[in-house]
Amino acid sequence: EDKVVQSPLSLVVHEGDTVTLNCSYEVTNFRSLLWYKQEKKAPTFLFMLTSSGIEKKSGRLSSILDKKELFSILNITATQTGDSAVYLCAVVMYGQNFVFGPGTRLSVLP
Amino acid sequence: SAVISQKPSRDICQRGTSLTIQCQVDSQVTMMFWYRQQPGQSLTLIATANQGSEATYESGFVIDKFPISRPNLTFSTLTVSNMSPEDSSIYLCSYGWDDGTEAFFGQGTRLTVV
Repeated sequence: EDKVVQSPLSLVVHEGDTVTLNCSYEVTNFRSLLWYKQEKKAPTFLFMLTSSGIEKKSGRLSSILDKKELFSILNITATQTGDSAVYLCAVVMYGQNFVFGPGTRLSVLP
Repeated sequence: SAVISQKPSRDICQRGTSLTIQCQVDSQVTMMFWYRQQPGQSLTLIATANQGSEATYESGFVIDKFPISRPNLTFSTLTVSNMSPEDSSIYLCSYGWDDGTEAFFGQGTRLTVV
């Protein structure tokens, strides 16, 4: 059965801290891995990763994929209260099947 | 990326009734998907909406309960039929590309069944 696991499920930090969110997966026909930020209802796209070892960066956020060990990490440096959200990892398989992880709920305290 | 709009944004419905959720994309897209997100849970794929043919449903979801239409490459609807309180969830539509790149989501519909 295809599955995506995220850890931790919940995290509370203070502004300025750096956090690392983890996503591991076991799927057939891996195509890409996606990270989303969900604040209210609709997830917003952060990164798409398809190749190992290539870091994607956007401001204070960065992510990398390891296809050999079947995991990805999402780093957020100098966290701000606006980073408080649920971060979802999803794996896309050939055939366009998406499998979402349970999400990591990040709370950034002032 | 194409702009995706979903409506209604929220609704409160009586049990036994049905609700149709609409999803509009401002350009043609190949793949459209419908998800359910139950309280405190992650997203679960309900079905892939195929243009010109029946939707492809995931295990645990059936057409009688969640009929889907996809009349063209820019529009899809999901109906939640004969609702019960267990159907209270956020429902999300999304679109994706053939090359398996990122999927973008509509604003979501928060459904409460009383």
